Amino acid sequence: SAVISQKPSRDICQRGTSLTIQCQVDSQVTMMFWYRQQPGQSLTLIATANQGSEATYESGFVIDKFPISRPNLTFSTLTVSNMSPEDSSIYLCSANAGTLYTEAFFGQGTRLTVV
Amino acid sequence: GDSVTQMEGPVTLSEEAFLTINCTYTATGYPSLFWYVQYPGEGLQLLLKATKADDKGSNKGFEATYRKETTSFHLEKGSVQVSDSAVYFCGRGSTLGRLYFGRGTQLTVWP
Repeated sequence: SAVISQKPSRDICQRGTSLTIQCQVDSQVTMMFWYRQQPGQSLTLIATANQGSEATYESGFVIDKFPISRPNLTFSTLTVSNMSPEDSSIYLCSANAGTLYTEAFFGQGTRLTVV
Repeated sequence: GDSVTQMEGPVTLSEEAFLTINCTYTATGYPSLFWYVQYPGEGLQLLLKATKADDKGSNKGFEATYRKETTSFHLEKGSVQVSDSAVYFCGRGSTLGRLYFGRGTQLTVWP
């Protein structure tokens, strides 16, 4: 298993600004991911954070809006850029071993409100 | 495309009632299937999983069986408790460890 810590746990931001969310895992992991949980509870994969290379984005998400870094095997950041109220969500970091059969571990999430 | 379809909520039950939350998936091949639970104010936790057809995952009195003929992974519990009140997510695995989820089902259990 892995313990995942996210910072900040919540924030209220002005529209047009950017927020960077940090994700720290207590052990080296193969894969790290970022999810968005919007009001109404849907949980959507944003991107796979690749160590040492550009992130792989899911359909509907782009690097200019959600730049992601992963400098090593235990840390990743997600930036939500040029925010609008529609970006108000919970953002979740996740990690796993990267195989077809493995479960993922999740952080507590970052609750973002854009005003 | 590949997806997970989960029973719409919210679901409200009395304590000791029987619970079923339906989940079906579409995918190429036979993905691993998961149920995650999110208790109020907490992060997602793995509840149970199944990695191949006819596997039954179980934990804390919850069960789900991987049915490839109906592409389903329905969550069941014979007697729910107030402490089971949470949001439940059905998910399927994909390449490189990615997981895709349904919309979540809010369960409220009254004493």
